[in-house]
Amino acid sequence: EPEVTQTPSHQVTQMGQEVILRCVPISNHLYFYWYRQILGQKVEFLVSFYNNEISEKSEIFDDQFSVERPDGSNFTLKIRSTKLEDSAMYFCASRPGQAKDTQYFGPGTRLTVL
Amino acid sequence: AQSVTQPDIHITVSEGASLELRCNYSYGATPYLFWYVQSPGQGLQLLLKYFSGDTLVQGIKGFEAEFKRSQSSFNLRKPSVHWSDAAEYFCAVGGSYSSASKIIFGSGTRLSIRP
Repeated sequence: EPEVTQTPSHQVTQMGQEVILRCVPISNHLYFYWYRQILGQKVEFLVSFYNNEISEKSEIFDDQFSVERPDGSNFTLKIRSTKLEDSAMYFCASRPGQAKDTQYFGPGTRLTVL
Repeated sequence: AQSVTQPDIHITVSEGASLELRCNYSYGATPYLFWYVQSPGQGLQLLLKYFSGDTLVQGIKGFEAEFKRSQSSFNLRKPSVHWSDAAEYFCAVGGSYSSASKIIFGSGTRLSIRP
């Protein structure tokens, strides 16, 4: 069964550094998402992406964040200058098209900012 | 505002006992409702979802959930739990309010199984 993949599984970085988290959504899916989960807290929506542009973003998704689909398969989340509070598990998700379609989540990337 | 409340932070049940995890939602339009499970260090796996129709929804691993519009609830049930069911369970809502159908998660209920 097709699945969403994410790399790396764990990323450690120094505060102020840029990080890029990578995701390969399920092929032929049209909507792509990033969510994050700070340790011990709930999963929070960050951003959705459709037709090569952001369709919706949360308050968390400020100017330090950006997303890109550089080719037909990858979907990336960039954090320009990481802060300690960016430490979290970041989940990528994709869904086929209709609002009723299931969002399929990847295994997550654990980001640790030191 | 759209929100999901899971009133139980942590529940412990004995193996073989029945389970009910509570979930209440606030959503102005017709909600799409989900239950996801997360094992330690793992991603999110969809257990079941409700979009319309029959208010009793069957999912994977023997779970079911019942949508009660009058109570704004979507409780998850299982008649007999197994030790492998120990995990974090998230109720979530999504749907027509969001053009991109983002999902809003509850804070989760951690399920422990007593041998």
